[in-house]
Amino acid sequence: AQSVTQPDIHITVSEGASLELRCNYSYGATPYLFWYVQSPGQGLQLLLKYFSGDTLVQGIKGFEAEFKRSQSSFNLRKPSVHWSDAAEYFCAVGAWELSFGAGTTVTVRA
Amino acid sequence: KAGVTQTPRYLIKTRGQQVTLSCSPISGHRSVSWYQQTPGQGLQFLFEYFSETQRNKGNFPGRFSGRQFSNSRSEMNVSTLELGDSALYLCASSSSTGGAEDEQFFGPGTRLTVL
Repeated sequence: AQSVTQPDIHITVSEGASLELRCNYSYGATPYLFWYVQSPGQGLQLLLKYFSGDTLVQGIKGFEAEFKRSQSSFNLRKPSVHWSDAAEYFCAVGAWELSFGAGTTVTVRA
Repeated sequence: KAGVTQTPRYLIKTRGQQVTLSCSPISGHRSVSWYQQTPGQGLQFLFEYFSETQRNKGNFPGRFSGRQFSNSRSEMNVSTLELGDSALYLCASSSSTGGAEDEQFFGPGTRLTVL
């Protein structure tokens, strides 16, 4: 069975500070991993994805994520947060059937 | 290219009624997936259609059903609505190859409220 755990429900960061969101997954084979962002009242937008190859993946909006098989983790990072990054972030694993984590809400303070 | 569209955006129904939600995928996309999002259960996979065939199904009761038409548009139906069916229903489409690695593009969702 596939599953995702996002340990942090809510994170508050100052604008300009770095951000790291944690994601741990469980998957029977080589995982397809994704990070999505959802703004209030909106659908999900894909930030980045990992299927194979280089374990450091670059995405949109300055985000990156690192796949660590030994730790079953796929953490999302951004070096310098902007106020517009305030949103809910979801880690997901799977193929046609995605399993999502519970999400991490990011608040950005001025 | 137009994105994934879902209609209606908002719905209010009463318990026991049935509802049909519609999803128009991105032009050329043949796979459509449906997800339910609630505060308590989060995002849960309902089902996925590819070329008019249900290819994958999540763990939902039979009251939840779907179909896909030859133009790849999809509908999902919920019969005998319960209060717990109140949720944001998200549709996602992915490209024509049908491969597992294809990116899923999500629509804005239909907000269903059951009274």
